[in-house]
Amino acid sequence: DTGVSQDPRHKITKRGQNVTFRCDPISEHNRLYWYRQTLGQGPEFLTYFQNEAQLEKSRLLSDRFSAERPKGSFSTLEIQRTEQGDSAMYLCASSPGPRGGGETQYFGPGTRLLVL
Amino acid sequence: AQSVTQPDIHITVSEGASLELRCNYSYGATPYLFWYVQSPGQGLQLLLKYFSGDTLVQGIKGFEAEFKRSQSSFNLRKPSVHWSDAAEYFCAVVPNTGGFKTIFGAGTRLFVKA
Repeated sequence: DTGVSQDPRHKITKRGQNVTFRCDPISEHNRLYWYRQTLGQGPEFLTYFQNEAQLEKSRLLSDRFSAERPKGSFSTLEIQRTEQGDSAMYLCASSPGPRGGGETQYFGPGTRLLVL
Repeated sequence: AQSVTQPDIHITVSEGASLELRCNYSYGATPYLFWYVQSPGQGLQLLLKYFSGDTLVQGIKGFEAEFKRSQSSFNLRKPSVHWSDAAEYFCAVVPNTGGFKTIFGAGTRLFVKA
């Protein structure tokens, strides 16, 4: 069990550029979650996957954001036409499934995005 | 409105002193309840969780939390704080409605003084 990994750990980009983040969950975990955390706040839910199916999306996930989990393993989060307000820590988590909503989520170290 | 409230933005305690971090939630039915810790440069780590049963739950690192339905609270406690406990602590809930969306409080930053 190597834990949840995220790549890159840090990303600096210019406003208007596209960025893509990757998350590798714990092996054989069925559920994968994305959160966004801004300075001084708790993480905010963005979306989650059950295997390759994206089952819930937050209203925070604007049209510029897209997430995929094509083979039910790793996931990518893409932000198009980045804005300075997108600067945040993007956290990924996974959980085993198929238990209910109380199952433990294991978090990765996060990708810190800075939009200049 | 559904919410998770951590009233204290930051708390300072002396090493060896006891600690209590407050958490209140506002949901129709008792949600699943969690406490996480986040140290600088580290990911979120689960300290403990409550689903049902005994209202006093034990976690890792000597932490415990007590669920009080009448007060809609789930406060985190530790009898003797160590300098390494300095971190950000988040209370979180998953509404018991069949979904998996975790709602986090804004966090309480703990400072430990020698």
